[in-house]
Amino acid sequence: DIQMTQSPSSLSASVGDRVTITCRASQGISNSLAWYQQKPGKAPKLLLYAASRLESGVPSRFSGSGSGTDYTLTISSLQPEDFATYYCQQYYSTPMYTFGQGTKLEIK
Amino acid sequence: EVQLVQSGAEVKKPGESLKISCKGSGYSFTSYWIGWVRQMPGKGLEWMGIIYPGDSDTRYSPSFQGQVTISADKSISTAYLQWSSLKASDTAMYYCARRRSNDAFDIWGQGTMVTVSS
Repeated sequence: DIQMTQSPSSLSASVGDRVTITCRASQGISNSLAWYQQKPGKAPKLLLYAASRLESGVPSRFSGSGSGTDYTLTISSLQPEDFATYYCQQYYSTPMYTFGQGTKLEIK
Repeated sequence: EVQLVQSGAEVKKPGESLKISCKGSGYSFTSYWIGWVRQMPGKGLEWMGIIYPGDSDTRYSPSFQGQVTISADKSISTAYLQWSSLKASDTAMYYCARRRSNDAFDIWGQGTMVTVSS
């Protein structure tokens, strides 16, 4: 099984900051990586897919990059509504579409 | 509007059985895989398994194989997750999600909270 290691597990930042979250796969996943945002009491929301493709309707301050085993989610200028928990997920290895353990982004 | 609507919260006792549902609308239900995800209280997302309603091809995470059953009734555009004998450790929020073709999970249900307590 492919393991996904996400870091950091938590992060404090201020409105306007640039933040980066990292996800590392235990083996290559050929950019088959998605990022989700989850707010308390809500279902996850797809932000990016194929490592760097922005889902329709998602603000352009969100971006993704990476290849092979290492991927990043960057928020260029944090907005108040961005404080949430973020998860990566690989969908390369059927049927185990494993998630990272999550990164809780909190207001500093 | 494309959506997945899940059944309501459940409170059960250990040993009881349960079947929760996820109804798709606004798209061709038989053409997309539907996955199930567990989120225990205060914890992260765990992948459980996936079904293709078109032919009921079903795959399970090894962690959940034998613990739950995933099924679908394409005539009513509904996927199911069921337990034959619940345990307290099954207490969690359960989400269904649609997998876009060879891609990520783009549509999520609102979640079904399952509480198992004596």
